[in-house]
Amino acid sequence: DIQVTQSPSSLSASIGDRVSITCRASQSPSSFLNWYQQKPGKAPKLLIYGASSLQTGVPSRFSGSGSGTDFTLTISSLQPEDFATYYCQQSFIGWTFGQGTKVEIK
Amino acid sequence: EVQLVESGGGLVQPGGSLRLSCAASGFSLSPYWMSWVRQAPGKGLEWVANIKQDGSEKYYVDSVKGRFTISRDNAKNSLYLQINSLRVEDTAVYYCARGIPGEDAFDIWGQGTMVTVSS
Repeated sequence: DIQVTQSPSSLSASIGDRVSITCRASQSPSSFLNWYQQKPGKAPKLLIYGASSLQTGVPSRFSGSGSGTDFTLTISSLQPEDFATYYCQQSFIGWTFGQGTKVEIK
Repeated sequence: EVQLVESGGGLVQPGGSLRLSCAASGFSLSPYWMSWVRQAPGKGLEWVANIKQDGSEKYYVDSVKGRFTISRDNAKNSLYLQINSLRVEDTAVYYCARGIPGEDAFDIWGQGTMVTVSS
């Protein structure tokens, strides 16, 4: 299976900040790289699939980019409801999640 | 409303068994790959198993092979996970999730059911 590693594991940011989270794969997952948001006590929510496609209903401040082994989730202007943990997932060979990035209020 | 609802979790002793169920409503299960994903307390997400639309293909994470069995009943619009020979490290919230055709991303998730393995 392909392993995926996220960085950073946590970050502190302020409302309105631009935030980026990186996901590095052990080998290329082609474009089968997805991003999820999870809030405490809740199920994960799909944000981005296919590396850069925005899931229906997800605000446009979320975007995904990348290719090869390096991918990025960007939040263009952090909002109060965006404080959560974010996971990348590859679904090209097997299905593996990154360890998560917790976004906290500065 | 499109939703998935899990049930069947609980407290079980090591070596015990449980059968988890996932009932779909608001959509038909039959066109979709379906998966189980778990999350140990305070930990990240771990994909556990998935099953093709007609049940002809099934895949498992190595740590559960031979102990867990995924199945589905499209007529009942339900997904199942039979979990045997439970270990303390299987303690987790178990989520069922629907796969986006052709993308293998999980677009609909249930609320989860807690499995606690303890003596």
